[in-house]
Amino acid sequence: DAGVTQSPTHLIKTRGQHVTLRCSPISGHKSVSWYQQVLGQGPQFIFQYYEKEERGRGNFPDRFSARQFPNYSSELNVNALLLGDSALYLCASNPPGANVLTFGAGSRLTVL
Amino acid sequence: GQQLNQSPQSMFIQEGEDVSMNCTSSSIFNTWLWYKQDPGEGPVLLIALYKAGELTSNGRLTAQFGITRKDSFLNISASIPSDVGIYFCAGQLRGNTPLVFGKGTRLSVIA
Repeated sequence: DAGVTQSPTHLIKTRGQHVTLRCSPISGHKSVSWYQQVLGQGPQFIFQYYEKEERGRGNFPDRFSARQFPNYSSELNVNALLLGDSALYLCASNPPGANVLTFGAGSRLTVL
Repeated sequence: GQQLNQSPQSMFIQEGEDVSMNCTSSSIFNTWLWYKQDPGEGPVLLIALYKAGELTSNGRLTAQFGITRKDSFLNISASIPSDVGIYFCAGQLRGNTPLVFGKGTRLSVIA
């Protein structure tokens, strides 16, 4: 079975641009979470979605948004990119009733 | 926001040695998790702990959920080169709240 898959794996953007990151959860998992991991730090929670509804939001500006589709895949959008948005963006999924997250390999974003 | 204090930040050990790392918080958590992250990969779950005092093993790894529910530790016995990586603790305050991660312990194993 495929794990959590994320795309793209790497991308480079310039300040002010917009980026869309994509995630497909493990089959049967209806909950998707997004985390930002800056170099040298642990992952920081951005969003959680369950059944297409936002269930939680971390301390991130409104430039960050996300959505979940009927097939439970998800997108993370970041507008007006700043240098500080450079990070590894991790997507994770978990099955109903379980809080153990399975992470994808991440999308590494570099903002120049 | 919630913070987990993870120590040590990094450690260098000889192959075959035992390793111990811990995580503390000012808040009470209902769940403690330990993950390992290799370069270029996402974190991979090692051990999940759900009850205060619980001691759980996974091969050479042993983790405990502290009695106060504010701390946890992870031990690795007889380390091998593939143990190299960054180990993260993560806590959950209660059901459906997001995981809070520590800053990680970077483990290097010298053969």
